[in-house]
Amino acid sequence: NAGVTQTPKFQVLKTGQSMTLQCAQDMNHNSMYWYRQDPGMGLRLIYYSASEGTTDKGEVPNGYNVSRLNKREFSLRLESAAPSQTSVYFCASNEVGAYQPQHFGDGTRLSIL
Amino acid sequence: GENVEQHPSTLSVQEGDSAVIKCTYSDSASNYFPWYKQELGKGPQLIIDIRSNVGEKKDQRIAVTLNKTAKHFSLHITETQPEDSAVYFCAAIHKGGTSYGKLTFGQGTILTVHP
Repeated sequence: NAGVTQTPKFQVLKTGQSMTLQCAQDMNHNSMYWYRQDPGMGLRLIYYSASEGTTDKGEVPNGYNVSRLNKREFSLRLESAAPSQTSVYFCASNEVGAYQPQHFGDGTRLSIL
Repeated sequence: GENVEQHPSTLSVQEGDSAVIKCTYSDSASNYFPWYKQELGKGPQLIIDIRSNVGEKKDQRIAVTLNKTAKHFSLHITETQPEDSAVYFCAAIHKGGTSYGKLTFGQGTILTVHP
């Protein structure tokens, strides 16, 4: 059981380039999330999808777009990468319902030069 | 929105000692408080959680306490072992309303357990 799988694991981009981060879960969860992790700031929510066909902004959505491709997959796109988007990106998923824990992937480490 | 403050940012203990990490939250409507452990190069993993209708919860060497009046909650690890070394995050969530499903994380605590 793979859980939450993120690709790629590492990526280096130049300012202005675009990129899509992929996330897939095999737990049949309805809800999926994208976070970014920066030193000393914990994890901050970028976008989330409460269920297939819906997406909503989180705390730090500027510069990002998302697509909930189907129930399993939730992608994050940087249209024009900026150095401030250098971070570690985590995808998570959980089942709808009170107190359902979120399960995280192992992250994509993204550097923008 | 919710704001979660976590202290200390780093914690160093000797093997066998206890470790305590504290978090405060701002939204009195928050009612679910999970704790995550993150090992190097990995994603966060849930280790224990507590709901607002419970004051304390234990799981072997790990316990969490919640004081709703003061709006703070703490993680307690007893008999620490080197494999407990990791980054620990607290989080808070309001289950319901417009905040449904959205965790707010603390800044993290780097715990180092020396053999």
